[in-house]
Amino acid sequence: AQTVTQSQPEMSVQEAETVTLSCTYDTSESDYYLFWYKQPPSRQMILVIRQEAYKQQNATENRFSVNFQKAAKSFSLKISDSQLGDAAMYFCAYRSLGANSKLTFGKGITLSVRP
Amino acid sequence: DGGITQSPKYLFRKEGQNVTLSCEQNLNHDAMYWYRQDPGQGLRLIYYSQIVNDFQKGDIAEGYSVSREKKESFPLTVTSAQKNPTAFYLCASSMQASNQPQHFGDGTRLSIL
Repeated sequence: AQTVTQSQPEMSVQEAETVTLSCTYDTSESDYYLFWYKQPPSRQMILVIRQEAYKQQNATENRFSVNFQKAAKSFSLKISDSQLGDAAMYFCAYRSLGANSKLTFGKGITLSVRP
Repeated sequence: DGGITQSPKYLFRKEGQNVTLSCEQNLNHDAMYWYRQDPGQGLRLIYYSQIVNDFQKGDIAEGYSVSREKKESFPLTVTSAQKNPTAFYLCASSMQASNQPQHFGDGTRLSIL
């Protein structure tokens, strides 16, 4: 079974600075998908970014980018120019290929942004 | 606007009572999911359904039941057998292809009276 580990329960960043959130996973599969979700205080889950394992290029969405290291099974999220609205819980998630596959989530990390 | 609607937002259960959480989507998604979220934990999968009239147990299905009679609807019943039901419940849906992200509702907070 796949597992997703987010070892840092909390992080803090100064507004306008850059922060990196770590995520590692364990799998024996060669192809899969990885996601980062954001959960603000409203508790709605919002997709931030996704990465296909077969793509070597790291995904980027505006201020959000990932550092995907397939051999190391690492999938970190970098937030540039942090904004107050970035304060939230962030969850890393793994999904196998196949229509019947499930999402496996890490325990999440709480990010606070200092003004 | 397309989306997922969960109701109610807050729900209270008495001891020995079954309660049902509603989840409706108008995204034309085939797959639907129920998750439980506890403080300090990630989301844990309760049940999921890939197609109408079919569903599978997730990682923590004991004490819960579901039905999928319509594509748009996937209600979750928290039975009296679930001894620790206080949690935040999230419903999600997605297209079946595994590269498609799951879209989430706003959640239901269930508490014990």
